[in-house]
Amino acid sequence: NAGVTQTPKFQVLKTGQSMTLQCAQDMNHEYMSWYRQDPGMGLRLIHYSVGAGITDQGEVPNGYNVSRSTTEDFPLRLLSAAPSQTSVYFCASGGSGANVLTFGAGSRLTVL
Amino acid sequence: AQRVTQPEKLLSVFKGAPVELKCNYSYSGSPELFWYVQYSRQRLQLLLRHISRESIKGFTADLNKGETSFHLKKPFAQEEDSAMYYCALRKDDKIIFGKGTRLHILP
Repeated sequence: NAGVTQTPKFQVLKTGQSMTLQCAQDMNHEYMSWYRQDPGMGLRLIHYSVGAGITDQGEVPNGYNVSRSTTEDFPLRLLSAAPSQTSVYFCASGGSGANVLTFGAGSRLTVL
Repeated sequence: AQRVTQPEKLLSVFKGAPVELKCNYSYSGSPELFWYVQYSRQRLQLLLRHISRESIKGFTADLNKGETSFHLKKPFAQEEDSAMYYCALRKDDKIIFGKGTRLHILP
């Protein structure tokens, strides 16, 4: 049972490049979410989804897109990376509703 | 809007001393509150939630609606308690986290 799997673990981008952070869970959780973790700022919610085909914005959605075509996957897309998006990104999933969250190991992104 | 405040960025406590990590929240409805912990080189994980009213690893947290607080307590700190602790609040389908408190247990 892998739980929540995030790829890649590390990524370096140049300003303006695009990329997708992948997140997959094998627990049949309806709820999935993306957070960014920055020093002194804690965890901030970017986007979340309560089920396949449904997504919504969190606290800091600007510059990020998501989609939820399957229950298992919830990719996070950066269309034009900026240095302000340098952060550690965490994907999390939960049972019905925003219940207890299971977190991935994190993806460290650096934008130069 | 809902908000979670953890006033201490860093808390240093001697081994064997009591620990209290503070968490205050602002929310107009009935809150559902959590404590999550991130140990060094481990994933963020749930420590406890207020509706369970249980003690995990010796930690307890009581919801005080009058003071809008959900402080995390442990009577005797252990070295393995050193970690980053996050208080979180659920509103509808969002779980909002505080900025976190790093707990450092001194030998």
